[in-house]
Amino acid sequence: EPEVTQTPSHQVTQMGQEVILRCVPISNHLYFYWYRQILGQKVEFLVSFYNNEISEKSEIFDDQFSVERPDGSNFTLKIRSTKLEDSAMYFCASNGKGQVPLLLWNSPLHFGNGTRLTVT
Amino acid sequence: AQTVTQSQPEMSVQEAETVTLSCTYDTSESDYYLFWYKQPPSRQMILVIRQEAYKQQNATENRFSVNFQKAAKSFSLKISDSQLGDAAMYFCAYRSISGGGADGLTFGKGTHLIIQP
Repeated sequence: EPEVTQTPSHQVTQMGQEVILRCVPISNHLYFYWYRQILGQKVEFLVSFYNNEISEKSEIFDDQFSVERPDGSNFTLKIRSTKLEDSAMYFCASNGKGQVPLLLWNSPLHFGNGTRLTVT
Repeated sequence: AQTVTQSQPEMSVQEAETVTLSCTYDTSESDYYLFWYKQPPSRQMILVIRQEAYKQQNATENRFSVNFQKAAKSFSLKISDSQLGDAAMYFCAYRSISGGGADGLTFGKGTHLIIQP
C-alpha cells in the first residue's frame, strides 16, 4: 500500500537556524498537510495545501513557517529561524484522490512517520 | 472552534479482553466526521475507524467499533479481543465538513493503551 514518507526521521538544529522538513505524499493525492506534536501534547494542525497554494492554516503557522511543493513529488515545511519551542514531532499527511473539494472531508488522511525536530 | 477531549490519559487491559476509550467533543456544527487514529511506537498515525455524523449506525471495523452518541457529543472506541499489537496512543479527532474540508483535524490529547499479556 502506498505510504507518505518523511525525511529525515530526526533533525537536530541550533536555535536561529533554518530547517527544511521533507515529505513525499501519496502520489495521486491532491491535498497535503503538516501537523506537529510537542512532546506529551496533542497533535496540532499547522497548514493544508492544495493546487500549489495554502488552503488553510492555523494560528501556529506564523511568518516563520512556509510550505512549498518544489516538484511533482516533494512537499516541504520550512522553519526560518528555529526557536526552542519548535522542538516537536512534525507529521506530514495527504488525502484527496482526485476528488472535488466538496468531497474532501470523505477522504481519510494518511500520515507519514514523522520527523522529530530538536532545537538546541 | 471545535474541541476534542479524551479524559483517560492511560488505560490498561488484559490481552483478549475488551476495552473502551472515551472521547467527547464540542461543536456547533450538525455535519462532521469523527475519527480514531492509532499511533504505535513506530510513530505513524494510522486510521482505525471513522464515523459520519449524519449516520446513526455505529461504525465497525473488525475488532474495533464505536459508540457514537450525537446528542451527548460522545464518540467512544471499543476494542474487542485486545491484542499486544493494539498497544499504542489512541487519538480521537474531529473534522468539519464546512469549507470543503481542507481544514485540519482537531485532535484530543490521546489515550495511552497498555495491553497486559
